[in-house]
Amino acid sequence: DIQMTQSPSTLSASVGDRVTITCRASQSISSWLAWYQQKPGKAPKLLICTASSLESGVPSRFSGSGSGTEFTLTISSLQPDDFATYYCQQYSSYPLTFGGGTKVEIK
Amino acid sequence: EVQLVESGGGLVQPGGSLRLSCAASGFTFSDHYMDWVRQAPGKGLEWVGRTRNKADSYTTEYAASVKGRFSISRDDSKNSLYLQMNSLKTEDTAVYYCARPNSSFDYWGQGTLVTVSS
Repeated sequence: DIQMTQSPSTLSASVGDRVTITCRASQSISSWLAWYQQKPGKAPKLLICTASSLESGVPSRFSGSGSGTEFTLTISSLQPDDFATYYCQQYSSYPLTFGGGTKVEIK
Repeated sequence: EVQLVESGGGLVQPGGSLRLSCAASGFTFSDHYMDWVRQAPGKGLEWVGRTRNKADSYTTEYAASVKGRFSISRDDSKNSLYLQMNSLKTEDTAVYYCARPNSSFDYWGQGTLVTVSS
Protein backbone atom coordinates (compact mmCIF):
# COMPACT_ATOMS: atom_id res chain seq x y z
CA ASP A 1 0.00 0.00 0.00
CA ILE A 2 1.14 3.56 -0.66
CA GLN A 3 1.44 5.55 2.56
CA MET A 4 0.67 9.26 2.41
CA THR A 5 2.31 11.41 5.09
CA GLN A 6 1.19 14.98 5.62
CA SER A 7 2.99 17.64 7.59
CA PRO A 8 2.39 19.47 9.76
CA SER A 9 -0.61 17.83 11.40
CA THR A 10 -1.68 21.18 12.83
CA LEU A 11 -0.80 24.64 11.65
CA SER A 12 -1.59 27.93 13.39
CA ALA A 13 -1.72 30.93 11.09
CA SER A 14 -3.22 34.39 10.73
CA VAL A 15 -5.39 35.88 8.03
CA GLY A 16 -3.14 37.01 5.19
CA ASP A 17 -0.39 34.47 5.92
CA ARG A 18 1.11 32.27 3.23
CA VAL A 19 0.56 28.65 4.21
CA THR A 20 2.25 25.54 2.84
CA ILE A 21 1.24 21.94 3.55
CA THR A 22 3.42 19.03 2.50
CA CYS A 23 2.38 15.55 1.44
CA ARG A 24 4.86 12.73 0.88
CA ALA A 25 4.09 9.41 -0.80
CA SER A 26 5.92 6.23 0.18
CA GLN A 27 6.53 5.51 -3.51
CA SER A 28 6.15 7.42 -6.74
CA ILE A 29 2.59 8.31 -7.69
CA SER A 30 3.51 10.47 -10.68
CA SER A 31 0.97 13.34 -10.47
CA TRP A 32 -1.98 11.25 -9.31
CA LEU A 33 -2.63 13.37 -6.26
CA ALA A 34 -5.63 15.35 -5.06
CA TRP A 35 -6.13 17.87 -2.27
CA TYR A 36 -9.38 18.27 -0.33
CA GLN A 37 -10.68 20.77 2.20
CA GLN A 38 -13.02 19.61 4.96
CA LYS A 39 -14.91 21.72 7.46
CA PRO A 40 -16.48 20.27 10.64
CA GLY A 41 -19.61 18.23 9.94
CA LYS A 42 -19.23 18.58 6.19
CA ALA A 43 -18.09 16.36 3.37
CA PRO A 44 -14.65 16.96 1.87
CA LYS A 45 -14.43 19.37 -1.05
CA LEU A 46 -12.06 18.80 -3.97
CA LEU A 47 -9.59 21.66 -4.38
CA ILE A 48 -6.87 20.32 -6.68
CA CYS A 49 -6.45 17.24 -8.86
CA THR A 50 -3.47 15.81 -10.76
CA ALA A 51 -1.24 17.59 -8.24
CA SER A 52 -1.64 21.09 -9.66
CA SER A 53 -4.96 21.47 -11.50
CA LEU A 54 -7.29 23.81 -9.68
CA GLU A 55 -10.86 22.60 -9.55
CA SER A 56 -13.45 24.92 -11.10
CA GLY A 57 -14.70 27.53 -8.64
CA VAL A 58 -11.78 27.16 -6.23
CA PRO A 59 -10.10 30.48 -5.44
CA SER A 60 -6.79 31.12 -7.17
CA ARG A 61 -5.05 31.63 -3.82
CA PHE A 62 -4.90 27.83 -3.65
CA SER A 63 -2.17 26.11 -5.65
CA GLY A 64 -0.58 22.70 -5.77
CA SER A 65 2.77 21.48 -6.96
CA GLY A 66 4.99 18.43 -7.03
CA SER A 67 5.31 15.05 -8.65
CA GLY A 68 6.67 11.66 -7.79
CA THR A 69 6.73 11.52 -4.01
CA GLU A 70 6.75 15.15 -2.83
CA PHE A 71 3.77 17.48 -3.09
CA THR A 72 2.71 20.80 -1.63
CA LEU A 73 -0.52 22.71 -1.21
CA THR A 74 -0.05 26.45 -0.86
CA ILE A 75 -2.56 29.07 0.21
CA SER A 76 -1.04 32.38 -0.87
CA SER A 77 -3.03 34.61 1.50
CA LEU A 78 -5.07 32.82 4.14
CA GLN A 79 -8.69 33.94 4.35
CA PRO A 80 -11.19 33.38 7.21
CA ASP A 81 -13.03 30.77 5.13
CA ASP A 82 -9.84 28.72 4.77
CA PHE A 83 -9.65 27.56 8.39
CA ALA A 84 -10.34 23.87 7.92
CA THR A 85 -8.64 20.48 7.66
CA TYR A 86 -6.83 19.58 4.45
CA TYR A 87 -6.19 16.08 3.11
CA CYS A 88 -4.07 14.76 0.28
CA GLN A 89 -5.06 11.56 -1.53
CA GLN A 90 -3.29 9.36 -4.03
CA TYR A 91 -5.14 7.63 -6.80
CA SER A 92 -2.18 5.98 -8.48
CA SER A 93 -2.97 2.51 -7.23
CA TYR A 94 -5.29 0.50 -5.01
CA PRO A 95 -5.98 0.82 -2.19
CA LEU A 96 -6.59 4.52 -2.58
CA THR A 97 -5.07 6.26 0.42
CA PHE A 98 -5.35 9.60 2.17
CA GLY A 99 -2.89 11.57 4.23
CA GLY A 100 -3.64 12.01 7.90
CA GLY A 101 -4.81 15.59 7.48
CA THR A 102 -3.56 19.06 8.35
CA LYS A 103 -5.74 21.24 10.54
CA VAL A 104 -5.29 24.93 9.82
CA GLU A 105 -6.19 26.89 12.94
CA ILE A 106 -6.49 30.57 13.74
CA LYS A 107 -3.38 31.93 15.42
CA GLU B 1 -26.74 19.67 -10.30
CA VAL B 2 -24.97 16.54 -9.10
CA GLN B 3 -26.41 15.19 -5.86
CA LEU B 4 -25.45 12.16 -3.80
CA VAL B 5 -27.67 11.33 -0.83
CA GLU B 6 -26.76 8.55 1.58
CA SER B 7 -29.19 6.76 3.86
CA GLY B 8 -29.42 3.68 6.03
CA GLY B 9 -27.05 4.54 8.84
CA GLY B 10 -27.82 3.85 12.48
CA LEU B 11 -26.88 1.92 15.58
CA VAL B 12 -25.99 -1.75 15.20
CA GLN B 13 -24.50 -4.30 17.56
CA PRO B 14 -21.08 -5.84 16.94
CA GLY B 15 -21.43 -8.79 14.59
CA GLY B 16 -24.52 -7.29 13.02
CA SER B 17 -25.29 -6.15 9.49
CA LEU B 18 -26.40 -2.94 7.85
CA ARG B 19 -27.04 -1.81 4.29
CA LEU B 20 -26.32 1.74 3.21
CA SER B 21 -27.76 3.34 0.12
CA CYS B 22 -26.68 6.30 -1.97
CA ALA B 23 -29.14 7.94 -4.35
CA ALA B 24 -27.51 9.75 -7.23
CA SER B 25 -28.91 12.45 -9.50
CA GLY B 26 -27.76 15.15 -11.88
CA PHE B 27 -25.41 12.99 -13.94
CA THR B 28 -25.41 9.76 -15.95
CA PHE B 29 -24.90 7.39 -13.03
CA SER B 30 -24.43 4.30 -15.18
CA ASP B 31 -21.34 5.79 -16.87
CA HIS B 32 -19.42 6.27 -13.63
CA TYR B 33 -17.46 4.26 -11.15
CA MET B 34 -18.67 4.90 -7.59
CA ASP B 35 -16.91 4.66 -4.24
CA TRP B 36 -17.48 4.58 -0.52
CA VAL B 37 -15.21 6.51 1.85
CA ARG B 38 -15.54 6.57 5.63
CA GLN B 39 -14.39 8.75 8.50
CA ALA B 40 -14.27 7.55 12.09
CA PRO B 41 -15.21 10.18 14.70
CA GLY B 42 -12.40 12.73 14.99
CA LYS B 43 -10.22 10.81 12.53
CA GLY B 44 -9.11 11.07 8.93
CA LEU B 45 -10.57 9.75 5.69
CA GLU B 46 -10.39 6.06 4.77
CA TRP B 47 -11.28 4.65 1.37
CA VAL B 48 -13.63 1.67 1.66
CA GLY B 49 -14.11 0.45 -1.88
CA ARG B 50 -15.23 0.94 -5.45
CA THR B 51 -17.62 -0.44 -8.00
CA ARG B 52 -16.82 0.04 -11.64
CA ASN B 53 -19.43 0.61 -14.34
CA LYS B 54 -21.10 -1.84 -16.71
CA ALA B 55 -18.45 -1.26 -19.35
CA ASP B 56 -15.92 -2.59 -16.85
CA SER B 57 -18.15 -5.46 -15.75
CA TYR B 58 -19.18 -3.95 -12.43
CA THR B 59 -15.95 -5.21 -10.88
CA THR B 60 -15.11 -4.11 -7.37
CA GLU B 61 -12.13 -3.15 -5.21
CA TYR B 62 -11.99 -3.09 -1.42
CA ALA B 63 -9.77 -1.90 1.37
CA ALA B 64 -8.13 -4.74 3.26
CA SER B 65 -9.92 -3.68 6.46
CA VAL B 66 -13.35 -4.49 4.99
CA LYS B 67 -12.61 -7.14 2.38
CA GLY B 68 -14.75 -10.23 2.92
CA ARG B 69 -17.15 -8.37 5.20
CA PHE B 70 -18.41 -5.49 3.04
CA SER B 71 -19.91 -5.69 -0.42
CA ILE B 72 -20.54 -2.84 -2.86
CA SER B 73 -23.27 -3.08 -5.47
CA ARG B 74 -25.27 -0.77 -7.69
CA ASP B 75 -28.58 -0.59 -9.48
CA ASP B 76 -28.18 1.60 -12.54
CA SER B 77 -31.94 1.50 -13.21
CA LYS B 78 -32.46 3.22 -9.85
CA ASN B 79 -29.34 5.42 -9.95
CA SER B 80 -28.38 3.87 -6.64
CA LEU B 81 -25.24 2.63 -4.94
CA TYR B 82 -25.21 0.24 -2.01
CA LEU B 83 -22.86 -0.87 0.74
CA GLN B 84 -23.73 -4.13 2.45
CA MET B 85 -21.84 -4.34 5.73
CA ASN B 86 -21.68 -7.66 7.57
CA SER B 87 -19.83 -8.86 10.67
CA LEU B 88 -19.58 -5.28 11.85
CA LYS B 89 -16.93 -4.34 14.38
CA THR B 90 -16.73 -1.40 16.76
CA GLU B 91 -13.92 0.01 14.60
CA ASP B 92 -16.35 0.29 11.68
CA THR B 93 -18.06 3.17 13.52
CA ALA B 94 -17.81 6.11 11.12
CA VAL B 95 -19.57 8.51 8.82
CA TYR B 96 -19.86 6.78 5.46
CA TYR B 97 -19.73 8.90 2.33
CA CYS B 98 -20.50 7.88 -1.21
CA ALA B 99 -18.28 9.69 -3.67
CA ARG B 100 -17.93 9.92 -7.41
CA PRO B 101 -14.41 9.32 -8.69
CA ASN B 102 -13.42 11.29 -11.73
CA SER B 103 -9.85 10.26 -11.08
CA SER B 104 -10.11 12.24 -7.83
CA PHE B 105 -13.42 12.50 -5.94
CA ASP B 106 -15.25 15.43 -7.47
CA TYR B 107 -18.59 14.92 -5.74
CA TRP B 108 -19.44 13.64 -2.27
CA GLY B 109 -22.64 12.94 -0.41
CA GLN B 110 -23.37 14.44 2.99
CA GLY B 111 -22.60 11.17 4.76
CA THR B 112 -24.52 8.77 6.99
CA LEU B 113 -23.38 7.78 10.49
CA VAL B 114 -22.94 4.14 11.39
CA THR B 115 -22.40 3.35 15.07
CA VAL B 116 -21.37 -0.16 16.05
CA SER B 117 -21.87 -0.61 19.76
CA SER B 118 -23.44 -2.97 22.27
